[in-house]
Amino acid sequence: KQEVTQIPAALSVPEGENLVLNCSFTDSAIYNLQWFRQDPGKGLTSLLLIQSSQREQTSGRLNASLDKSSGRSTLYIAASQPGDSATYLCAVRIKAAGNKLTFGGGTRVLVKP
Amino acid sequence: ETGVTQTPRHLVMGMTNKKSLKCEQHLGHNAMYWYKQSAKKPLELMFVYSLEERVENNSVPSRFSPECPNSSHLFLHLHTLQPEDSALYLCASSQGGVGGVRETQYFGPGTRLLVL
Repeated sequence: KQEVTQIPAALSVPEGENLVLNCSFTDSAIYNLQWFRQDPGKGLTSLLLIQSSQREQTSGRLNASLDKSSGRSTLYIAASQPGDSATYLCAVRIKAAGNKLTFGGGTRVLVKP
Repeated sequence: ETGVTQTPRHLVMGMTNKKSLKCEQHLGHNAMYWYKQSAKKPLELMFVYSLEERVENNSVPSRFSPECPNSSHLFLHLHTLQPEDSALYLCASSQGGVGGVRETQYFGPGTRLLVL
């Protein structure tokens, strides 16, 4: 059974610092991995999708890497801003279950002005 | 806005009530999903519909009953719920059906449910 873990569960940094969020998964037979952002009480917004054949994806200040063999992904957010405060979720789409996403517990980020 | 809307946004109900959650997607997708997000637990997939047929039911209690009348609408009918069913219920949709594994899922804002 695929398990997805995100460490740390919560993170607080001063504005301007770079953020590093970690995601690990137990079954490397994945189609892709996706990072989402969730604001309090709201739905999820997709940030980056990395296919299993890719090593990284970039969008603006966001960069996500994928090391399938070691079961790890890292989301980097450069020069953090207070507006980056949210919960960040990673999810893997596993080969054994079609389009089913398995989610990690999330990392709650607070960027202090 | 992701193109996926959910109503109501907040719902308070007693254990003997019957209510329904509604989801609508305006993206032309043909797969829709219900997820449950409880406090301190990862997001859990509940049901998957592809081309209006239910293709997955993740051992969800029968007090939750999904309905997909067409590819744009998805309902979750609730009856005799328990306090532990209080959670954020999220709807999502994707293109390419359940087999479209390269496609991202687009999420609605969720319905915050409180069962008293």
